[in-house]
Amino acid sequence: GAVVSQHPSWVICKSGTSVKIECRSLDFQATTMFWYRQFPKQSLMLMATSNEGSKATYEQGVEKDKFLINHASLTLSTLTVTSAHPEDSSFYICSAPQIQETQYFGPGTRLLVL
Amino acid sequence: GESVGLHLPTLSVQEGDNSIINCAYSNSASDYFIWYKQESGKGPQFIIDIRSNMDKRQGQRVTVLLNKTVKHLSLQIAATQPGDSAVYFCAETPNSGGYQKVTFGTGTKLQVIP
Repeated sequence: GAVVSQHPSWVICKSGTSVKIECRSLDFQATTMFWYRQFPKQSLMLMATSNEGSKATYEQGVEKDKFLINHASLTLSTLTVTSAHPEDSSFYICSAPQIQETQYFGPGTRLLVL
Repeated sequence: GESVGLHLPTLSVQEGDNSIINCAYSNSASDYFIWYKQESGKGPQFIIDIRSNMDKRQGQRVTVLLNKTVKHLSLQIAATQPGDSAVYFCAETPNSGGYQKVTFGTGTKLQVIP
């Protein structure tokens, strides 16, 4: 089946630093990928839609200058959390649709900002 | 409005019994519905899906029921096993065609008692 990977699986960083998270579709091409954030015991909240070859589309309330998204190729999207602060600590998950509507999710990246 | 998870209800089921997890969705224009299973520290895993022109769909040990009149979705798991313990999310997309962003509902934590 379709596989989506994320790297790193977890990261700890100091407040004020930037963190880059990669999302790859391993056996299929994805012109669109989605980035979600999940706080403990809560649902997944869509942050942005990553589009290959064009700018990302951000959901209301998500700062595009803080969460930089680059869809570098048909198999790679990156999310950079700039100047991370403790409140950015969360579980970040990407997804990619292989066929229409059915999305496959990555394993997630746990970010802890000290 | 969108379904947003702010808390996590829990369903405890004896091993071998059937489980029924319910979900109310908010967007009457939604066309496609998915159930995901999320184990601790992992990304969501696709379980089963259903389109709005259907009211029932069966998979292996799982059945999804859709009642569009009351905007209700349910997931039935037959002969629940300890490995079924996880958080289950229903999700919806607005309409078919193209890659649509997925809106997640409030999750339900399923605890299987051995």
